[in-house]
Amino acid sequence: RKEVEQDPGPFNVPEGATVAFNCTYSNSASQSFFWYRQDCRKEPKLLMSVYSSGNEDGRFTAQLNRASQYISLLIRDSKLSDSATYLCVVNQAGTALIFGKGTTLSVSS
Amino acid sequence: ETGVTQSPTHLIKTRGQQVTLRCSSQSGHNTVSWYQQALGQGPQFIFQYYREEENGRGNFPPRFSGLQFPNYSSELNVNALELDDSALYLCASSSGTEAFFGQGTRLTVV
Repeated sequence: RKEVEQDPGPFNVPEGATVAFNCTYSNSASQSFFWYRQDCRKEPKLLMSVYSSGNEDGRFTAQLNRASQYISLLIRDSKLSDSATYLCVVNQAGTALIFGKGTTLSVSS
Repeated sequence: ETGVTQSPTHLIKTRGQQVTLRCSSQSGHNTVSWYQQALGQGPQFIFQYYREEENGRGNFPPRFSGLQFPNYSSELNVNALELDDSALYLCASSSGTEAFFGQGTRLTVV
């Protein structure tokens, strides 16, 4: 079983749609959780950290369920510029970031 | 811009050769990590350096080695290149929980 597993993509949605990405992780000792965004042939960039209480940043909402070892990302009112690959990431003890394979989102007009 | 720079941006090598990739970390960041990202995959952790000492290693063979210098810049060396080493190599610097990535070096082994 992979350490971080994400929904297989791609997700193709129209502008304005709401889309949700799911992720599970296998190591219960994981301490920090993130969503990164990666544009085609570019480096990953931090989208947001994920906290147990849930957190929101504009149109983006992230949630963490430690008991289920489950992380989610919700994007509301999708924009063309949201088209990218979204990477679920966990960190165990300040060393390696463990990345999921990524889920590709394509938003069309 | 993250302040993390990598060189070169692109590189073509022949199987069996050796390669050195370089990374200049963001000012004040004493931790550097290297990742390999194959096409269609997420980045895979190679190793991490903290204050010039290796501080963690992923599931990569010994022909992948590294260095961190007193100014916290870093090198990734790969010996005896194989075709499967073709990938985007990413360097990330951090000082705390957030990691900042460089733009990567795209290595092609032919």
